[in-house]
Amino acid sequence: AQSVAQPEDQVNVAEGNPLTVKCTYSVSGNPYLFWYVQYPNRGLQFLLKYITGDNLVKGSYGFEAEFNKSQTSFHLKKPSALVSDSALYFCAVRDIDRTGGFKTIFGAGTRLFVKA
Amino acid sequence: DTGVSQDPRHKITKRGQNVTFRCDPISEHNRLYWYRQTLGQGPEFLTYFQNEAQLEKSRLLSDRFSAERPKGSFSTLEIQRTEQGDSAMYLCASSLGTTYPNNEKLFFGSGTQLSVL
Repeated sequence: AQSVAQPEDQVNVAEGNPLTVKCTYSVSGNPYLFWYVQYPNRGLQFLLKYITGDNLVKGSYGFEAEFNKSQTSFHLKKPSALVSDSALYFCAVRDIDRTGGFKTIFGAGTRLFVKA
Repeated sequence: DTGVSQDPRHKITKRGQNVTFRCDPISEHNRLYWYRQTLGQGPEFLTYFQNEAQLEKSRLLSDRFSAERPKGSFSTLEIQRTEQGDSAMYLCASSLGTTYPNNEKLFFGSGTQLSVL
């Protein structure tokens, strides 16, 4: 079965500094990987996805993620953090089964705090 | 189009009562998903619809849970004989339903927070 792991419960970074939120995956076959963000009192929002192609994927709000097959990682990055980036971030993988894969498996989440 | 909407936003009930939640997906979306999220955890898959057909149901879901999407538009999730362990945020999501395998992003509603006393 497909799974993702987010090894950090919380990441603290100062505004203006680069940020990284880590994710590792375990899949059989080619991975379909996603990042979602959850702001307080709001639903989850899609940030970006990796299906195939370039290992560096660009997404919403200046975020990007790097797919690394040898390390089975899909870390979320941003060159310069904003206070407004403070939120809960979820890595996710699409479970590709015989029906075509309609179940998205989410990690436990990483809380990002950006300090002014 | 205002996105995925869920009703109610909050529900407080007593143990043993039945509750029903509603989800209205984005109008042109064929796929609809239900998830459950507890504090400190990521969303946990419950069930999935392609139009009106329920194609997958989590093995973690007890028989007290049932979901419908009778006309392929809105969906309801019912929990019978609620237990305190059912307390959670219940999330609905939808996607277009045009790709196979499915690589589409999900659009989430704000959720229904259930508290079972």
